[in-house]
Amino acid sequence: DGGITQSPKYLFRKEGQNVTLSCEQNLNHDAMYWYRQDPGQGLRLIYYSQIVNDFQKGDIAEGYSVSREKKESFPLTVTSAQKNPTAFYLCASPGGQGNTEAFFGQGTRLTVV
Amino acid sequence: SQKIEQNSEALNIQEGKTATLTCNYTNYSPAYLQWYRQDPGRGPVFLLLIRENEKEKRKERLKVTFDTTLKQSLFHITASQPADSATYLCALDRSGGYNKLIFGAGTRLAVHP
Repeated sequence: DGGITQSPKYLFRKEGQNVTLSCEQNLNHDAMYWYRQDPGQGLRLIYYSQIVNDFQKGDIAEGYSVSREKKESFPLTVTSAQKNPTAFYLCASPGGQGNTEAFFGQGTRLTVV
Repeated sequence: SQKIEQNSEALNIQEGKTATLTCNYTNYSPAYLQWYRQDPGRGPVFLLLIRENEKEKRKERLKVTFDTTLKQSLFHITASQPADSATYLCALDRSGGYNKLIFGAGTRLAVHP
């Protein structure tokens, strides 16, 4: 069935490590987004991509990197430069330009150990 | 700066009553506003979208109002059920239709039998 698949569901990172979160969609949507969710805060935009081979920084891009080599995939790398990476990460894809719902994956909970 | 606020305190109501959640925003003139439901440890799920020229939108037991003068949206769940217990997020498009959504922190609703 169609949707957005994030993996893994839980991820543990040691200090100084880079980790990559996977996001795959079979909705044939052009746009894909990464959000971070912390307790008591709204979702904050990390990076977004409106089309393959193009992506833009969101509000909190420092310490993160992305790639968009395929329409279906938008992986997020949390680098060692991200000083407070413990959070719930959500990948989303809106249906089209304007006035459409965003489909979300089930999230990846990243914890620094 | 652009800001979106939802009641941070949990809303506790009795089964069968109407739940009313509030979303206020500043420094925006959004073309539309969306409401999402989020269960613990899962991604948000889209519920309703209301456009700036619509005063009210309904879907089954859900009703959303949008007052662009007050810069406020109200989200109502009538005949509430314990299964409605979740966190409800409101979101605005701040990019003129390009789906760069900004989210409130959400209001947690608990419906008691």
